[in-house]
This record gives sequence, structure tokens and C-alpha cells, in this order.
Amino acid sequence: GEDVEQSLFLSVREGDSSVINCTYTDSSSTYLYWYKQEPGAGLQLLTYIFSNMDMKQDQRLTVLLNKKDKHLSLRIADTQTGDSAIYFCAERKTGANNLFFGTGTRLTVIP
Amino acid sequence: EAGVVQSPRYKIIEKKQPVAFWCNPISGHNTLYWYLQNLGQGPELLIRYENEEAVDDSQLPKDRFSAERLKGVDSTLKIQPAELGDSAVYLCASSYSSGANVLTFGAGSRLTVL
Repeated sequence: GEDVEQSLFLSVREGDSSVINCTYTDSSSTYLYWYKQEPGAGLQLLTYIFSNMDMKQDQRLTVLLNKKDKHLSLRIADTQTGDSAIYFCAERKTGANNLFFGTGTRLTVIP
Repeated sequence: EAGVVQSPRYKIIEKKQPVAFWCNPISGHNTLYWYLQNLGQGPELLIRYENEEAVDDSQLPKDRFSAERLKGVDSTLKIQPAELGDSAVYLCASSYSSGANVLTFGAGSRLTVL
């Protein structure tokens, strides 16, 4: 497809794991990113992964990359209420220096 | 270090009025971006600067939008005249174009056109 796709909403209970999925467009994208946006704020980088990696772990965050299917996921372990926000997947396409963003997934954490 | 600074944070104007947004990037970042974020959408690139040169402005509506980055540091984005459909958040970001080219975003300028 032409656009980076994400599901719009996800609800989880506090303490559970959250998995946010993304399908990107360019199989040759060099880097893929996850950003977090809280209400009224700009986007905050959470993590990124280079395209030659399958997985990257950073504390509670685990990123999985499936290049064959152009699928990216973000797993948040032990989800907390402070994790409630909108999460954006982004890709850096071949030969481009800007990022192409998905529509975002709104994560709601239920206490 | 200070982050990307944008002003104003909020602006309400009537249609056909002009408006300008200002961005101060992170010191040392040579690349500056203006993104448009409509409600419920992800950011979309308007223009990208490498130092003071606009290298990608293909998505900038040039009939009413203009931008400049004098001396390769601060940047301004102007809309004249504003239309109702311009109501959105205008995000500025900067990066050092090397490696992962991580973009750091400002808090954004929310524009409401009445």
C-alpha cells in the first residue's frame, strides 16, 4: 500500500503487555521508528530499529521487525497508566531523509 | 540541552488573515522539518531544509504557504491568507543527518482558523 498503516485503538489493563502493530510500505526502508505523543505535546522518540535487525529490546520496550511482510510491532511490557498516549510508527524510505508516519494507535490503559 | 522550541503554541485567527510560526531547532542540527498534523492523523511533511536550503518542498502549498530558514538556524512558516482547512498542528523537528537521523520534535503550534 501507499500508506503506513496502524490500527486506531488499543485498550489494555494496567500490568498487562501491549502490542501495537504497523505495516509499512517500502521493503527497502533503512530505519523504522516508534514515536509517542501525549495530549497537547509533540512526538517523542521511543525507539528505532535498523532494517538489518529482527528485534531490539530497550527496558520495557521490544521491537520486532519482519521485513518480508513489512511488519513492525512494539511490545510494551507491564503497561502503566502513564503509557496511555498515541503511538506512531514511521519509516525512512530508501533515499529519503524525512520520515513517513502512520495514523497512530491510541493506547488506553485501564487501571 | 534545550529541545526544539516553537512559538506560538496556540493561535486563533479569522480566515483570510496571515499567520506565522517560528521554530528554533536543537543546536548543531543541520536539518529542519515542518510537518502538518491534522486531527486524528499522523504528521505529514511540508518542507525540509538542509542548512539554509529547502531540499524538499514538494508538499508545501506554495500559493499560500511560505517558509524560510535564514542563516541555517531558526525557521519561520507563514500562511497568507489562511483558510478554514488550515486548522491543524504545525510541528517543527530537527535532526543531524547521519546514521539513524533521529528527528526531535517541538511541542507544535496549534492553529485554529475561524
